[in-house]
Amino acid sequence: DVKVTQSSRYLVKRTGEKVFLECVQDMDHENMFWYRQDPGLGLRLIYFSYDVKMKEKGDIPEGYSVSREKKERFSLILESASTNQTSMYLCASSFYGNRNYEQYFGPGTRLTVT
Amino acid sequence: RKEVEQDPGPFNVPEGATVAFNCTYSNSASQSFFWYRQDCRKEPKLLMSVYSSGNEDGRFTAQLNRASQYISLLIRDSKLSDSATYLCVVKITSGTYKYIFGTGTRLKVLA
Repeated sequence: DVKVTQSSRYLVKRTGEKVFLECVQDMDHENMFWYRQDPGLGLRLIYFSYDVKMKEKGDIPEGYSVSREKKERFSLILESASTNQTSMYLCASSFYGNRNYEQYFGPGTRLTVT
Repeated sequence: RKEVEQDPGPFNVPEGATVAFNCTYSNSASQSFFWYRQDCRKEPKLLMSVYSSGNEDGRFTAQLNRASQYISLLIRDSKLSDSATYLCVVKITSGTYKYIFGTGTRLKVLA
């Protein structure tokens, strides 16, 4: 069974703090993704990575950065948290390639910025 | 216009009913298609992939119409446990691979 884990289920941070969200997958997937999910807006892609040390901006990268030093681990960094970054953050992974590879999701981190 | 569009619902149906959801997509580079299920405050989980010839998994049937650019999900004999949000997902190949999500359709199955 594919397992994607995220470092925290719930997190409360103050405005201006630096926040690290970690994601680990155990299926040797090349692709890893970070999304945020907000009511009425669905899942929006923040960043993705298709290989170690590679990263690509998604649709809403502003205010975020990422790090992929090892294949199994993909970190999302909020350099200076703001209240509009309060959201559910979901990490996902998949195999690379144009076959019918689905994504597998972690349980999510519900971040509140006060 | 959103790249992937779904009717947000909610669809309120009695147990045992048949219900169908549609999803339209606009990007011609769309290559693979999926239906995910998401329970309240949980992560999305794959329900089924959608193949060109259509496919069935128990009470669930998925169909793809590339000419009209839509996919559908049919649920027969609805159960209370089917209550969830159903997300339509399109995988796009354009240099790299991206997954585009619809905002989901809420289903409530009523006793």
